[in-house]
Amino acid sequence: SAVISQKPSRDICQRGTSLTIQCQVDSQVTMMFWYRQQPGQSLTLIATANQGSEATYESGFVIDKFPISRPNLTFSTLTVSNMSPEDSSIYLCSVRVSDYGYTFGSGTRLTVV
Amino acid sequence: QKEVEQDPGPLSVPEGAIVSLNCTYSNSAFQYFMWYRQYSRKGPELLMYTYSSGNKEDGRFTAQVDKSSKYISLFIRDSQPSDSATYLCAMGRSGTGNQFYFGTGTSLTVIP
Repeated sequence: SAVISQKPSRDICQRGTSLTIQCQVDSQVTMMFWYRQQPGQSLTLIATANQGSEATYESGFVIDKFPISRPNLTFSTLTVSNMSPEDSSIYLCSVRVSDYGYTFGSGTRLTVV
Repeated sequence: QKEVEQDPGPLSVPEGAIVSLNCTYSNSAFQYFMWYRQYSRKGPELLMYTYSSGNKEDGRFTAQVDKSSKYISLFIRDSQPSDSATYLCAMGRSGTGNQFYFGTGTSLTVIP
């Protein structure tokens, strides 16, 4: 299975600023997925990042708020823009390497103050 | 209606107890059923998976899928303090381009 390195592991940010989360995979993958995990809620898919094309966003998430880059088959970034306290959450990147094999990064714990 | 429903707990059991964790789902097209374990401050890790209906056993863990009832279970026998974690069920359709749908997770504490 793939190994994912995600950073930063945690950050405390000021309201109105932006944070970019990086995700590096040790093998080439076509699609990378960005999830948000809020307390007491299920993992929510933010967007699917496909190399060489625009990311596909799920309902409730927009590119202006969560711009994504996917410059190659092993790397992606998610930016949380113009942050508010409601953006405080854990953000996870993941790759699906088989029908049942979903590997996650260790997550970025974001607190917005 | 949510795609996947899971009782969030928390669940607290004594060491050695049998633990039963459950999820229900609404989409009959789901074929792959997974259980993830997530320790504090870590990302989820795949614990078990099953395809379609039936049982699968791996050591102290047994996963069951009942597609007719749209119900899946994870049983942990002889639970250990190291099993204390949040357990998330997940399910999806075939194809690596398709997302998985996750339950909210059940927090489990095994008391020594």
